[in-house]
Amino acid sequence: QKEVEQDPGPLSVPEGAIVSLNCTYSNSAFQYFMWYRQYSRKGPELLMYTYSSGNKEDGRFTAQVDKSSKYISLFIRDSQPSDSATYLCARAGGSYIPTFGRGTSLIVHP
Amino acid sequence: DAGVTQSPTHLIKTRGQQVTLRCSPKSGHDTVSWYQQALGQGPQFIFQYYEEEERQRGNFPDRFSGHQFPNYSSELNVNALLLGDSALYLCASSSPGQGAAEAFFGQGTRLTVV
Repeated sequence: QKEVEQDPGPLSVPEGAIVSLNCTYSNSAFQYFMWYRQYSRKGPELLMYTYSSGNKEDGRFTAQVDKSSKYISLFIRDSQPSDSATYLCARAGGSYIPTFGRGTSLIVHP
Repeated sequence: DAGVTQSPTHLIKTRGQQVTLRCSPKSGHDTVSWYQQALGQGPQFIFQYYEEEERQRGNFPDRFSGHQFPNYSSELNVNALLLGDSALYLCASSSPGQGAAEAFFGQGTRLTVV
């Protein structure tokens, strides 16, 4: 079993939709949870990170962590075509080295 | 402020050859990590350099080696290239106190081994 599982998609939604992206992880020792966005032919860009269970909001993005079920989510409100990218979830422990999921491809069509 | 810069952006090598990739960290960062990203996969951690020493290493063979210079820039060397080494190689920089929470990635070097 991979340490971080993520559905590769693609996930296709109309502009303005609320997008829900999800990951599960298998090791309870992880303290940090991150979401990265990666456009085609670019490096990943850190969107959000959180240390604990619960929600963290930043503009149109909300990250949600449920440590009891080992579930990580990213919600995007009012999605835009410019949000079309691959979204990578990651977790890290005390070493601060992230382990990534394989990414979910998101397509927001006008 | 330049972010993380990597060179070259693309290169093609033949099996068995050796390759060197370069990375300049974001201004103010002193820790450099290298990742390999195969097509359709997430980045996999190769190793991390701090104070010119390899501080942590992922599950990669000794064919993968690195170096960090006094100005914090770094090189990734891969010897005896295999077809399976074809991937996007990413460099990320951070400060020790921020770690993974504040890692900034370069745009990567696309390596093709033929």
